[in-house]
Amino acid sequence: TQLLEQSPQFLSIQEGENLTVYCNSSSVFSSLQWYRQEPGEGPVLLVTVVTGGEVKKLKRLTFQFGDARKDSSLHITAAQPGDTGLYLCAGAASGTYKYIFGTGTRLKVLA
Amino acid sequence: DTGVSQDPRHKITKRGQNVTFRCDPISEHNRLYWYRQTLGQGPEFLTYFQNEAQLEKSRLLSDRFSAERPKGSFSTLEIQRTEQGDSAMYLCASSLVGGPGYNEQFFGPGTRLTVL
Repeated sequence: TQLLEQSPQFLSIQEGENLTVYCNSSSVFSSLQWYRQEPGEGPVLLVTVVTGGEVKKLKRLTFQFGDARKDSSLHITAAQPGDTGLYLCAGAASGTYKYIFGTGTRLKVLA
Repeated sequence: DTGVSQDPRHKITKRGQNVTFRCDPISEHNRLYWYRQTLGQGPEFLTYFQNEAQLEKSRLLSDRFSAERPKGSFSTLEIQRTEQGDSAMYLCASSLVGGPGYNEQFFGPGTRLTVL
């Protein structure tokens, strides 16, 4: 069974701090996506990474896909209260369109 | 483009009743997914369609659950004889067909089901 474990589960930080969220698996994924979800809403796609070792930047967010395509990280620089939310990673194994979601990291950025 | 819409947004029902949810995907998207999300967890895959064909179904989807996408556009998810354990947010997502790894999903706002 494919599992995606995220760490930490909860993170509460002050505005301006940096943070990193990790998404780990023992399985290889053909691609990995990161989402942010607000309470009572569906997840919103932030980025898709496809190539092992790939790094993508989205303003203050930096996403990296592990060389072996089994793990990924999300780094936020100078966090802002607007970054508060549930961060989810999701991966699909090669040859499938079934996406497995991680356990989620709930981030709270205090002003 | 209005995005993915789901109806209703909230549903409260008594145990044993049947419920049906509807999902309208983004108009040109031919792939449609259903997920279930309980509090504090990530979404769990239930099933997905490519056009009108249901291509994969999770073992989580018991015989009480059925999904259809009759004309390859909107989809319905029906739960028969609801149980309290069915209480969750039911999410729908749609995407364009692409190679594996390029299937970017766009989610609807979800239907929150409460079974009393």
